[in-house]
Parts: sequence; C-alpha cells; structure tokens
Amino acid sequence: EAGVTQFPSHSVIEKGQTVTLRCDPISGHDNLYWYRRVMGKEIKFLLHFVKESKQDESGMPNNRFLAERTGGTYSTLKVQPAELEDSGVYFCASSQDGTERSFGNGTRLTVT
Amino acid sequence: GQSLEQPSEVTAVEGAIVQINCTYQTSGFYGLSWYQQHDGGAPTFLSYNALDGLEETGRFSSFLSRSDSYGYLLLQELQMKDSASYFCAVEGSGGFKTIFGAGTRLFVKA
Repeated sequence: EAGVTQFPSHSVIEKGQTVTLRCDPISGHDNLYWYRRVMGKEIKFLLHFVKESKQDESGMPNNRFLAERTGGTYSTLKVQPAELEDSGVYFCASSQDGTERSFGNGTRLTVT
Repeated sequence: GQSLEQPSEVTAVEGAIVQINCTYQTSGFYGLSWYQQHDGGAPTFLSYNALDGLEETGRFSSFLSRSDSYGYLLLQELQMKDSASYFCAVEGSGGFKTIFGAGTRLFVKA
C-alpha cells in the first residue's frame, strides 16, 4: 500500500508570501496529524483530524496557519503570510487506531 | 507543564547493546511510543507500550514503567544502519495529542 505522501518536498518562499502544503494519508486512515520540527529541535504537534473534523488544534502556533481536510481524505496546511520563524520541516502522519503512526517524508519549508 | 527527557547523544560500537532512556511528565498518559528517524527521512514507528513491561520486536525492545514515568528503548546487535535519531513520544491528555522528546542521536561506530 502507498504510504503517507507530502507535497512539495521542499519550498522556498519569501517572508509575507503564502505557502500551501499537502498531505495524502494512507487510504482508510481516519486520523491525520500535522507536526513541525524547527532547526533540529523536537517534533511538535500542530493538530489532529479525525476524518474531516479537527479533533485537536491546540498546537497551531497562530492564526497564520490554517489546516483543512475536506471530505476526510487529503489535508492541506496553509501558512499566510509566512514569517521567518515558520521555517522548518512539516510532517504529516496518519493512523488507523491512533497508536502506530505512519509519517510522510516531510516538507522542508524555508522562509527567506 | 509537560516534558520528556532523553539523552541528546549516544555513541556505541557495532554489535553492542545500547539503551536510550526516556522520562516523562505529562498530564494524562495513554502510552509511550518510539520512533526512528534517519537524516532527511520520515520518522518511522518502532514500538508502543501502553502497559508496564517489556515489548520485544526483533533486535529492538521497549520498556515502560508507568509508576516511574520512565521507559527505554533497547537496541541489540547494533548495526551501522541503526545510526539515526530516536524519539520517545507520549500519548498524553486526550489520547491523541502526542508529545515528542527532543530526540537522541545514536552514532554507531565500526
């Protein structure tokens, strides 16, 4: 079966621009998570979807970040407007039962 | 507050055994997971402990003591390919909000 796929793998944008990251979870996984790892630090939770509903978005840093999961399939994470501190690797993961999570390869975002 | 503590770096030789400890302080606890991440790659799930005791999966074992808020990952017969970062993660309050440790960088030497 196909794993979790993320697009793009890399994105370089200027401060103030908008970027949209996409995540396609493993088919049939209702749980979808977004995480961020900044400058080699710990992986930080951003939010959790169960199907199309946001179960927990307490990790979202501010209102410049918007996540959606229309139809309970793929998810997008939009950053608008991007700031320098938003640079990092954004991981998406999906899970069937909430324990074992399969991660995507991440999107490396660089804001200049 | 909520926190996980694990060593930042561990070095070992091929064929040896290494233990990576993780202590946690979280509000609510559902289980302790371990993930492996090679540079530039995706974190890969290794194990999950919800109950006290040792879980063995091939060369890797994971242990949990809920009373001590402590767990460890044991890697046996180390191979060069085991050089990676290892993260412990706690399923905390609400059951699905995962809190990750900062990761332990394992260097395996010949």
